[in-house]
Amino acid sequence: GAVVSQHPSWVICKSGTSVKIECRSLDFQATTMFWYRQFPKQSLMLMATSNEGSKATYEQGVEKDKFLINHASLTLSTLTVTSAHPEDSSFYICSASLRTGGGYEQYFGPGTRLTVT
Amino acid sequence: AQSVSQHNHHVILSEAASLELGCNYSYGGTVNLFWYVQYPGQHLQLLLKYFSGDPLVKGIKGFEAEFIKSKFSFNLRKPSVQWSDTAEYFCAVHSRSGATNKLIFGTGTLLAVQP
Repeated sequence: GAVVSQHPSWVICKSGTSVKIECRSLDFQATTMFWYRQFPKQSLMLMATSNEGSKATYEQGVEKDKFLINHASLTLSTLTVTSAHPEDSSFYICSASLRTGGGYEQYFGPGTRLTVT
Repeated sequence: AQSVSQHNHHVILSEAASLELGCNYSYGGTVNLFWYVQYPGQHLQLLLKYFSGDPLVKGIKGFEAEFIKSKFSFNLRKPSVQWSDTAEYFCAVHSRSGATNKLIFGTGTLLAVQP
């Protein structure tokens, strides 16, 4: 159980276009999902917390107008990279939060490789 | 601000060697602690977690970790590594008193096990 999927798994787009990435919790409901960015050989950098039915909470330094997050249902959050530029090329990972026992666990999606040309 | 430190960035071991990866965090309140593993080409998977109770926690694949509150540490151990343990390991901390349940990740440790 507790499976999280992402779509697409990889995408190539031209500079200036927008790309939407979907994150789904397949067998549980998640009021909170998270979006991360991972650079090669580096750790995960939290971009934002996606809250079902309300606005996302962005980490310091993350442009909210560039990285649009929508969490319209308890099983789906989307990240749209608007007007993408080559520096936005990265590995984007989502996670969904599930309360288990005495705390919360995050279950991670397989990631989306974005290449902006 | 909360932070997580992993002191070993790259570790190379031979099969059957013992492993200990360090993890320290900076936060004075109650925390939940996690170790995640990322095998080559795969997504992050939970190895083990500490919420409360016995500070020595056992995870999957023979891994264990010990929470030492006085040292703000949660080191990962395995008595005998295998080639298949080659992966990147991330320590993560969640502050239980925070408004959200976001995780703070360490920088990761890349483990290479030589056959």
